[in-house]
Amino acid sequence: DAKTTQPPSMDCAEGRAANLPCNHSTISGNEYVYWYRQIHSQGPQYIIHGLKNNETNEMASLIITEDRKSSTLILPHATLRDTAVYYCIVRVPSGTYKYIFGTGTRLKVLA
Amino acid sequence: DGGITQSPKYLFRKEGQNVTLSCEQNLNHDAMYWYRQDPGQGLRLIYYSQIVNDFQKGDIAEGYSVSREKKESFPLTVTSAQKNPTAFYLCASSMLWGTYYEQYFGPGTRLTVT
Repeated sequence: DAKTTQPPSMDCAEGRAANLPCNHSTISGNEYVYWYRQIHSQGPQYIIHGLKNNETNEMASLIITEDRKSSTLILPHATLRDTAVYYCIVRVPSGTYKYIFGTGTRLKVLA
Repeated sequence: DGGITQSPKYLFRKEGQNVTLSCEQNLNHDAMYWYRQDPGQGLRLIYYSQIVNDFQKGDIAEGYSVSREKKESFPLTVTSAQKNPTAFYLCASSMLWGTYYEQYFGPGTRLTVT
């Protein structure tokens, strides 16, 4: 099963860009990378996903390396409300539809 | 509004009792999932279902059971065989067609067993 590795925690100053890395060295060619975040005691919220091209939406940007073994989620102007645990997920390439959630990165945005 | 409903938000039970957690979705999604989350930990998959009347065990299925009699509903029963049932339980759903498989999550049920 494809797994992801993320740093356990990061701090970011309010108004600055938050760059959250993720390693997924066993990702297969047709798997997508997804990012979710979880604010305390709530269900995870979808942020963005990508295959190999960089992606941007109203919440964030996703940069995937050319070899696809790692990616970075960028929150361009972090606010206090972005304080959450961020999960990087790849879809298991077994014909099933399981997601494997790692331990995530706990991002704290500082005033 | 389309979404996933989990009830109740908080649930308290005595040890040795079975308890059923409700999950309903009106997103017309084929797949549904149950996850467990312990304090400070990530999500772990309990069961998932891709179609009505069919479901598969996840990574930590022991002590849990599910049913999928309707597309919209995927209840989870925490049995007395589950040794550490106190946790935050999350239900999710997703489409099966297309290439994105984005999962939508409910608000969760916090179960406390004493």
